[in-house]
Amino acid sequence: NAGVTQTPKFQVLKTGQSMTLQCAQDMNHEYMSWYRQDPGMGLRLIHYSVGAGITDQGEVPNGYNVSRSTTEDFPLRLLSAAPSQTSVYFCASSLNRGLGTGELFFGEGSRLTVL
Amino acid sequence: TQLLEQSPQFLSIQEGENLTVYCNSSSVFSSLQWYRQEPGEGPVLLVTVVTGGEVKKLKRLTFQFGDARKDSSLHITAAQPGDTGLYLCAGVPNNNDMRFGAGTRLTVKP
Repeated sequence: NAGVTQTPKFQVLKTGQSMTLQCAQDMNHEYMSWYRQDPGMGLRLIHYSVGAGITDQGEVPNGYNVSRSTTEDFPLRLLSAAPSQTSVYFCASSLNRGLGTGELFFGEGSRLTVL
Repeated sequence: TQLLEQSPQFLSIQEGENLTVYCNSSSVFSSLQWYRQEPGEGPVLLVTVVTGGEVKKLKRLTFQFGDARKDSSLHITAAQPGDTGLYLCAGVPNNNDMRFGAGTRLTVKP
């Protein structure tokens, strides 16, 4: 069972470059989300989706775009990378649309460095 | 400021000691969750508490949800090196928007 798969695991970008972090889950979960994790700040929600075709902003959405064309995939796009986007990014999914009691399943993370 | 404040931020203890870490907020939550994260991996759910005053036990780990549903604690009895990791609390203050605390980084020395 693959669970939540993120690619790439490591990436180095120059300021202004664009890239896409890929996330796929094979558990037929409706809810998917992207978090960034920075030292001393915990996990902060970037964008989330409650189903195919539906996305919404989280706590720190600026500089990131998402789309949800299928249940399985939820890519995160950085259109013009900035050093402030250096972080570890986690994709997560959950069976329950109404969170709080549902378990979030996380990928292994993607470490991004922007020079 | 964090919606969920966790303390202490760092904790280093010897194997066999007991410890308690805390998760506090000024907001009321319908439920709170605790996750553990090991280096290079994503967080993994330990427990969900949903009722004010609820106590849940998971082997040597005891989780408590405050009566007012604004805080939670995690107590570990006789800590082992395998308990080393980052402990995160999380909750949903509004619909579909789960928030995490900054975590407590626990190191248990053999």
